Amino acid sequence: DAGVIQSPRHEVTEMGQEVTLRCKPISGHNSLFWYRQTMMRGLELLIYFNNNVPIDDSGMPEDRFSAKMPNASFSTLKIQPSEPRDSAVYFCASNPTGPKNIQYFGAGTRLSVL
Amino acid sequence: KNEVEQSPQNLTAQEGEFITINCSYSVGISALHWLQQHPGGGIVSLFMLSSGKKKHGRLIATINIQEKHSSLHITASHPRDSAVYICAVRSLGADGLTFGKGTHLIIQP
Repeated sequence: DAGVIQSPRHEVTEMGQEVTLRCKPISGHNSLFWYRQTMMRGLELLIYFNNNVPIDDSGMPEDRFSAKMPNASFSTLKIQPSEPRDSAVYFCASNPTGPKNIQYFGAGTRLSVL
Repeated sequence: KNEVEQSPQNLTAQEGEFITINCSYSVGISALHWLQQHPGGGIVSLFMLSSGKKKHGRLIATINIQEKHSSLHITASHPRDSAVYICAVRSLGADGLTFGKGTHLIIQP
């Protein structure tokens, strides 16, 4: 299996622009997570899905952020409009449903908002 | 919300030394993960623990559920062990992980 696939790997955009990050989880994994990593706050959970349904989005910083999972093999995280403080590395991870399962992380998308 | 504390934040050691990284958390968990993040940025899961002890090569992870504490040990450390080690917990009733700030480990030859 190719693992969790994220695209793009790097994104540079200007303030106010819309940004869409993409994630393909490992086939057969029922749970998908979006995390954000910054120097100041470390890694933080933004939102996670079980069986394509958003379960907990309490980590989403504000209404500018939205996430969707239209099917079991694809998820997007959208920021509209983007701001410089959104600059971070965004990770997607997946695992089979259940607390005793290891999470597999994608390589991350490094976002820079100028 | 679970508070996850790691120590030390930074650690520099000589090749061959025995390394210990500590993690404590504030509320009950279903599992604790140790992750490794290399300078390239990728994150790899090293261990998942819910009790006792696990060993993989030169890495050993232990957890004490009563004391809400876990340790990651590296025996015979090597420069290739240089990375950020992150402790993460899955709180009871939750699926997402809560992370410590990480320990930046440098092993000098």
